[in-house]
Amino acid sequence: AQSVTQPDIHITVSEGASLELRCNYSYGATPYLFWYVQSPGQGLQLLLKYFSGDTLVQGIKGFEAEFKRSQSSFNLRKPSVHWSDAAEYFCAVAPDSNYQLIWGAGTKLIIKP
Amino acid sequence: EADIYQTPRYLVIGTGKKITLECSQTMGHDKMYWYQQDPGMELHLIHYSYGVNSTEKGDLSSESTVSRIRTEHFPLTLESARPSHTSQYLCASKRQGGTEAFFGQGTRLTVV
Repeated sequence: AQSVTQPDIHITVSEGASLELRCNYSYGATPYLFWYVQSPGQGLQLLLKYFSGDTLVQGIKGFEAEFKRSQSSFNLRKPSVHWSDAAEYFCAVAPDSNYQLIWGAGTKLIIKP
Repeated sequence: EADIYQTPRYLVIGTGKKITLECSQTMGHDKMYWYQQDPGMELHLIHYSYGVNSTEKGDLSSESTVSRIRTEHFPLTLESARPSHTSQYLCASKRQGGTEAFFGQGTRLTVV
């Protein structure tokens, strides 16, 4: 069965430090891959997505993610976090854009001043 | 900014009451979804619709029902609320052939 694993329930980083959030999926072919962010009390907002082509994708708010087929991973990165990045981040996959998303359990990002 | 709205944002209600959670979008999207979200857990799809008069159950069993009489409106109803229904409910929409789902702000339901 398809599944998405976000191994870190929460991560704490200092403001200005770099960030990497991990996401692994299990699926035979290369699915469509997404990262969403949920700020407190808000709905989810799409950060970036990967379908094909360049394995390093750029998103909004200075985020990027790298698809590694050999590791079935799609890790999210940011070179320097800001206090406003404190939120919960969800990785999701879909066999194609018309199918339902399968979600990871999320990683809560805490920013230390 | 996404034009998808959920009301109410917060609801505390007694056991046995009937409730309807509203979801409306002004983007003309054909596809709409209801997810249930609990802390520390992945989102679970409970209902979806691919257009007017089309509704399907998602992968998580739910005692709720939905209707899609108009494109822009996708309400979710619980006939008799129970404490086990306490959760956050997220509505989303997507255009046909689109890749991005747009989410409402959610309704946090507490059944006491």
